[in-house]
Amino acid sequence: KNEVEQSPQNLTAQEGEFITINCSYSVGISALHWLQQHPGGGIVSLFMLSSGKKKHGRLIATINIQEKHSSLHITASHPRDSAVYICAVKGWFGGSQGNLIFGKGTKLSVKP
Amino acid sequence: EAQVTQNPRYLITVTGKKLTVTCSQNMNHEYMSWYRQDPGLGLRQIYYSMNVEVTDKGDVPEGYKVSRKEKRNFPLILESPSPNQTSLYFCASSAGQGFYHEQYFGPGTRLTVT
Repeated sequence: KNEVEQSPQNLTAQEGEFITINCSYSVGISALHWLQQHPGGGIVSLFMLSSGKKKHGRLIATINIQEKHSSLHITASHPRDSAVYICAVKGWFGGSQGNLIFGKGTKLSVKP
Repeated sequence: EAQVTQNPRYLITVTGKKLTVTCSQNMNHEYMSWYRQDPGLGLRQIYYSMNVEVTDKGDVPEGYKVSRKEKRNFPLILESPSPNQTSLYFCASSAGQGFYHEQYFGPGTRLTVT
C-alpha cells in the first residue's frame, strides 16, 4: 500500500475553473510539501505545510493533520498551470530522519 | 542567482562504465539530496546529506554512492551502472534539516544505460 496517495491521477479542466488536487497519507507526518513539475521536467517547490493553510497568488494549500489529508487548490486556472503536481511527506515512520515519501503526482491539463 | 546545478544534463553510457553526476548549490544549504524519477513510480530518494561528511541512505540506495566533502557539492556516483539505473535524476538542496524549508531542485539529469 502506498503511503502517499494522490487523486485524481489525471485532471483536465477548462481555463477559469477552480481545481482541487488531493493528497492522503497513512503515516504520521511532521511536514508536507506540494511540488510542481513543469512539462519540461523542472521541479519547483510550491508550499511547505505542517498545519493549517497557506496561500500564494491563485494557489491555496490546506492540511488536516487529524484526517491525514492535504489539498491543493488553484483558483481561476490558466493553461500555464498545466503541470504535474506532487505531494511529498516526511513521515515519523519508515526511515531515518530526512527520508521523504512522494505521491505519484497529479497531471493537470488546463485547456484554453 | 540562487540555483542548483547538475552536470551532465544528458548522458548515455554502457553497462559497467563508472560515472559521476555532479551537483552544486550556491545557497550555503546544509541539506542536499538525490532523487530518481521513473514512470509510474514517481520520485524516490536515493541518498541525502544533512551536512558536510554526513550522508544517509534513502529508499533506493543500491548501486549508488555519494560523498559530501564540501558544503556546496554532492556528487552521485554509479560505480557499475546497469540498465535498471536508466532514469531521470534530480539533485535538491534546502536550508536546515531539509524538510522544513523550501526545496530547491536542479534541472535534472537524464541517464540512459545500455
